Amino acid sequence: AQSVTQLGSHVSVSEGALVLLRCNYSSSVPPYLFWYVQYPNQGLQLLLKYTSAATLVKGINGFEAEFKKSETSFHLTKPSAHMSDAAEYFCAHHGGGATNKLIFGTGTLLAVQP
Amino acid sequence: DVKVTQSSRYLVKRTGEKVFLECVQDMDHENMFWYRQDPGLGLRLIYFSYDVKMKEKGDIPEGYSVSREKKERFSLILESASTNQTSMYLCASSWGTRGRDTQYFGPGTRLTVL
Repeated sequence: AQSVTQLGSHVSVSEGALVLLRCNYSSSVPPYLFWYVQYPNQGLQLLLKYTSAATLVKGINGFEAEFKKSETSFHLTKPSAHMSDAAEYFCAHHGGGATNKLIFGTGTLLAVQP
Repeated sequence: DVKVTQSSRYLVKRTGEKVFLECVQDMDHENMFWYRQDPGLGLRLIYFSYDVKMKEKGDIPEGYSVSREKKERFSLILESASTNQTSMYLCASSWGTRGRDTQYFGPGTRLTVL
């Protein structure tokens, strides 16, 4: 079965430090991969997505992610954390087949310390 | 901008009550989805619909049903609410059936069943 694994349910960084959130997927088909962000008491918002074009994908708010097929990874990074980045981040993978189903990871809660 | 709205942000119901959660999207999207979100479990798909009156079970359909009579509206029904259905419920919609299509989320309904 296809799955998405996010390493680290909680990540804490200092303001200005590098943000690295890890995501690995399992798939036997070409993947479509997504990162969503959820701010407190809100729904999910798309940060970026990989759709088989450039392997380095740039998203909103200074985030980017690199697709590495050999490592089956799609890690999310941001060079310098801001207090407003504190949120929960979800990696998702297309569930395959002819539908638009997504398989989500369990999420990583990012805390940014002043 | 795509807008997905959900009828309530917070809802408190009693065990055994019939509960309706409503979701409306304004972008003529083909697909609509209902997820539940629980800490440590990420988002799990309950049901989805790819056309009016069409529906498919997701990963956790037990105890739920859905209705899609109009393209823009997708309802989640708890026939007899139970305490283990206390959760955050998120609705989403997307344009087509390709895996690369972005899902747009509503703000969520936090349901408490007493």
